[in-house]
Amino acid sequence: NAGVTQTPKFQVLKTGQSMTLQCTQDMNHNYMYWYRQDPGMGLKLIYYSVGAGITDKGEVPNGYNVSRSTTEDFPLRLELAAPSQTSVYFCASSYSGGGGTEAFFGQGTRLTVV
Amino acid sequence: GQNIDQPTEMTATEGAIVQINCTYQTSGFNGLFWYQQHAGEAPTFLSYNVLDGLEEKGRFSSFLSRSKGYSYLLLKELQMKDSASYLCAPRSGGSYIPTFGRGTSLIVHP
Repeated sequence: NAGVTQTPKFQVLKTGQSMTLQCTQDMNHNYMYWYRQDPGMGLKLIYYSVGAGITDKGEVPNGYNVSRSTTEDFPLRLELAAPSQTSVYFCASSYSGGGGTEAFFGQGTRLTVV
Repeated sequence: GQNIDQPTEMTATEGAIVQINCTYQTSGFNGLFWYQQHAGEAPTFLSYNVLDGLEEKGRFSSFLSRSKGYSYLLLKELQMKDSASYLCAPRSGGSYIPTFGRGTSLIVHP
């Protein structure tokens, strides 16, 4: 019953460092998403994928990259971390797109860039 | 693009009823989700509406009016554990990607 698993849960980076946030799901969902959530704000879509090998930009993609080589995994890459990327990052997945197919969320990665 | 409006914060008393409103403007509307998010936790699914009307699920109900671009979440018999943020997320057709509002922080007091 793992659902969506994100690692790490917490991370502190220095400005200019790079890192990859990992996300994996075991529900065979084809849609996967990365959101960021700043304090008091809603979730903003960074990137999404509708299946292995297919990714697309969301509302706030600058400074991030993604890949989707398998159905299960959807890592988010920060190449040159900046303080503006301090946020809570949520990975989510859902099945196909039609109907009331709700998204299931991972527990989040709390990232601080100093 | 999408424009979503919810109240920032609401307070209510344990045992009472509260209605959280959401108005939205979205192209190619294709359903609306409500999620609950406790502080420091991930959002969890509450309800989904695609047709006009009321969907009831235990203590929680959600209403949708597509012509008015309006939805509300109704919480009955409030409990302390209902203190959380409630996120309205309309979905546009084609992409099937929900867009989230800022959320309404609900504080339930004794």
